[in-house]
Amino acid sequence: EVVLTQSPDTLSLSPGERATLSCRASQIVDSRYLLWYQQRPGQAPRLLIYGTSRRATGIPDRFSGSGSGTDFALTISRLEPEDFAMYYCQHYGNPDTFGPGTKVDI
Amino acid sequence: EVQLVESGGGLIKPGESLRLSCAASGFTFKTPWMSWVRQAPEKGLEWVGRVKSNADGGTTHYAAPVKGRFTISRDDSRNTLYLEMNSLKMEDTAVYYCTTEGLAALAALDFWGQGTLVTVSS
Repeated sequence: EVVLTQSPDTLSLSPGERATLSCRASQIVDSRYLLWYQQRPGQAPRLLIYGTSRRATGIPDRFSGSGSGTDFALTISRLEPEDFAMYYCQHYGNPDTFGPGTKVDI
Repeated sequence: EVQLVESGGGLIKPGESLRLSCAASGFTFKTPWMSWVRQAPEKGLEWVGRVKSNADGGTTHYAAPVKGRFTISRDDSRNTLYLEMNSLKMEDTAVYYCTTEGLAALAALDFWGQGTLVTVSS
């Protein structure tokens, strides 16, 4: 089972700033199976990034994913008000595992 | 438009059983694999398990905490996914989400329902 750790726990930023979220895996993972989700308060999670760097349908290009091996990142180039939310990375592959999440708040 | 609507949640006592349903519309239900993911109150996401499409064998996989107690099944004729939960424990208290897999993005939980809350308490 791949254990994912995310840092920081909370990222306090302002609209217009750049956010960089980290996800570290306990072992080397296939980059096809590293994903990111966004969850706003009171809502279901939403797929942002799959295959490490591929944006899901309808996701703005201010969101980008990168990384390989055990170290991955989600970058939001310029924060919009609706981007303040929880972000989870996931390793897809029986069993699937999620990181504990990073909260991006103002 | 893809829609997933979970139902069947509620308050239940430890040791009892419950079946959740997920009604799907807006896509060809028999095609994608399907998963359940849960989220305990104020906690993160936890994958529960998945069922492959019947074309891919219909096999199931489960997370360790639920293996042997939970069963995922699908009825392609009814466009419905199920989660049968037995021997429920207080730590199973969570919002349960059903998701599609690979419908729009390879190896991804790409569409999610709004979830149904299961509360296990005496």
